[in-house]
Amino acid sequence: EVQLVESGGGLVKPGGSLRLSCAASGVTFKNVWMSWVRQAPGKGLEWVGRIKSKTDGETTGYAAPVNGRFTISRDDSKNTLYLQMNSLKTEDTAVYYCTKYSTRDALDSWGQGTVVTVSS
Amino acid sequence: DIQMTQSPSSLSASVGDRVTITCRASQSISSKLNWYQQKPGKAPNLLIYAASSLQSGVPSRFSGSGSGTDFTLTISSLQPEDFATYYCQQSYSYLYTFGQGTKLEIK
Repeated sequence: EVQLVESGGGLVKPGGSLRLSCAASGVTFKNVWMSWVRQAPGKGLEWVGRIKSKTDGETTGYAAPVNGRFTISRDDSKNTLYLQMNSLKTEDTAVYYCTKYSTRDALDSWGQGTVVTVSS
Repeated sequence: DIQMTQSPSSLSASVGDRVTITCRASQSISSKLNWYQQKPGKAPNLLIYAASSLQSGVPSRFSGSGSGTDFTLTISSLQPEDFATYYCQQSYSYLYTFGQGTKLEIK
């Protein structure tokens, strides 16, 4: 069974930085594409970005609201996904979920989420 | 970006009812459409992928259909555990986008 466990959330001031981690188990991590999805309080789901496997070039892609501020990376030796968030804004306040891509391009495994609050 | 629009935004129904939720894409997305269920305080769970394929472990009362721009999620006979929020999501563009969600409540 795939397990994804996020960590690193917390309270940060506008303009600050935070790095989230996602530890994966039960999957051959190096072979899978991964992404981050967020959900602002009381709102719907928003795809943040994704990283391909190393075999597929480890290419990243980001949603427009975070492009240039957020960076997704991975350490396959540690089975861990990262989300570096810089220049944080109040509108980045959300639960951040780590997700795994299936072979059919759906998001078939989700972590429990980590809360990020951006407030002065 | 491809916009996804769900209808209705909320729905009241009773146990045993047949329920249909609609999702419309702003352009053709072939069959690249997935459905998720989310219960309060929990992570979403994949129900249907590629418009009509049932994810492993999901009850057969859930089904999906459609292609191009119009899609539906149907629950054939509502069970108490099905009251939740449902989201569609397109995977045609690498910039994934979700519908705004449909909240299914008990009548």
